[in-house]
Amino acid sequence: NAGVMQNPRHLVRRRGQEARLRCSPMKGHSHVYWYRQLPEEGLKFMVYLQKENIIDESGMPKERFSAEFPKEGPSILRIQQVVRGDSAAYFCASSPDRGGNNSPLHFGNGTRLTVT
Amino acid sequence: EDKVVQSPLSLVVHEGDTVTLNCSYEVTNFRSLLWYKQEKKAPTFLFMLTSSGIEKKSGRLSSILDKKELSSILNITATQTGDSAIYLCAVSTGTYKYIFGTGTRLKVLA
Repeated sequence: NAGVMQNPRHLVRRRGQEARLRCSPMKGHSHVYWYRQLPEEGLKFMVYLQKENIIDESGMPKERFSAEFPKEGPSILRIQQVVRGDSAAYFCASSPDRGGNNSPLHFGNGTRLTVT
Repeated sequence: EDKVVQSPLSLVVHEGDTVTLNCSYEVTNFRSLLWYKQEKKAPTFLFMLTSSGIEKKSGRLSSILDKKELSSILNITATQTGDSAIYLCAVSTGTYKYIFGTGTRLKVLA
């Protein structure tokens, strides 16, 4: 039973380019969450999605950031016109139901984005 | 504002020592508290504690939830070098959002 799969593991982008981060949830999980982790900081909630729906994107900057979870294929976190401050580790997590009650979040290995 | 605070920030011990990691929280609506172990990659789930399950144990690791004190501890006995990691505490507020602490960085020396 494969876990949460994220790719790429490492991504280097120059300022102004676009970054696309992909996440395939665990089999049977239809709830996906994206978190960002900066050095010496905890994981910060960005967005929560179910298939084809964005449930809550309150943790995501309103500009340049977007997320989707299409009916087919992985969830995508897209960052347009990246800036140095976007450099961080981005973790995806999934759960079989709406997290917070019975099911813990299962995390992927993360994508480490470096903006040069 | 909901928050989770972990202490200590970092800890260095020798193999065989016992360690206690702390997590305190201030949230508007508590549903569960989770502990994760993060090495160089994915945070891996350790325990979930809720009102109906305030103590969990797995091998050398155990955790207790104190709802009165709004806190939890994670104990690791007979530590090994493989226990070196960042230990994250997270609290669910009844929605899908988990509030994470900044973690405790544990280093176990041989």
